[in-house]
Amino acid sequence: DAKTTQPNSMESNEEEPVHLPCNHSTISGTDYIHWYRQLPSQGPEYVIHGLTSNVNNRMASLAIAEDRKSSTLILHRATLRDAAVYYCILRDVYNQGGKLIFGQGTELSVKP
Amino acid sequence: NAGVTQTPKFQVLKTGQSMTLQCAQDMNHEYMSWYRQDPGMGLRLIHYSVGAGITDQGEVPNGYNVSRSTTEDFPLRLLSAAPSQTSVYFCASSYGRSPTEAFFGQGTRLTVV
Repeated sequence: DAKTTQPNSMESNEEEPVHLPCNHSTISGTDYIHWYRQLPSQGPEYVIHGLTSNVNNRMASLAIAEDRKSSTLILHRATLRDAAVYYCILRDVYNQGGKLIFGQGTELSVKP
Repeated sequence: NAGVTQTPKFQVLKTGQSMTLQCAQDMNHEYMSWYRQDPGMGLRLIHYSVGAGITDQGEVPNGYNVSRSTTEDFPLRLLSAAPSQTSVYFCASSYGRSPTEAFFGQGTRLTVV
């Protein structure tokens, strides 16, 4: 399973943008880059995913490097409710049953 | 639309007891999986299924059994509970061979004494 590397923790101020990095140097051509987050005492929730192009949705943006060996999740204006553990995961839905292998993630804290 | 439903939410077992954690989804998803999460850790994959009648092992399968007789249900069985199986268990489902999102249940908090 291709692995990802994320910082253990990051801090942000409320209403400022947050850039959460992820390295995945062994990514394969069929791996999609997924981001999930887990709020305290809850199950993980989907944030965004992409393959090669940058992606935007109502929650966040995903910037993918041209060589696909790294990506960045962007929260445009952090709120206190965005404090969570963010997981960057490579997902191959065609060859590995679509399983999600979680790493340690990045714990994001947001200061008022 | 109920999504992914896990029961029970909390359970206390004695060492050696057996039990089944239930997981059901109403989205007609082919893929289902079970994870455990220990305190301060990320989720670890126990077993997964790509469709009815098909299951496979994940990262930490020992001590757990699964079966998938229907698309909707994916129960996880603990045959002889051990204190090391104290954890929070999450079930997830998603469409097959599609990169779209996976949906997670709210978890079952299991304590083995």
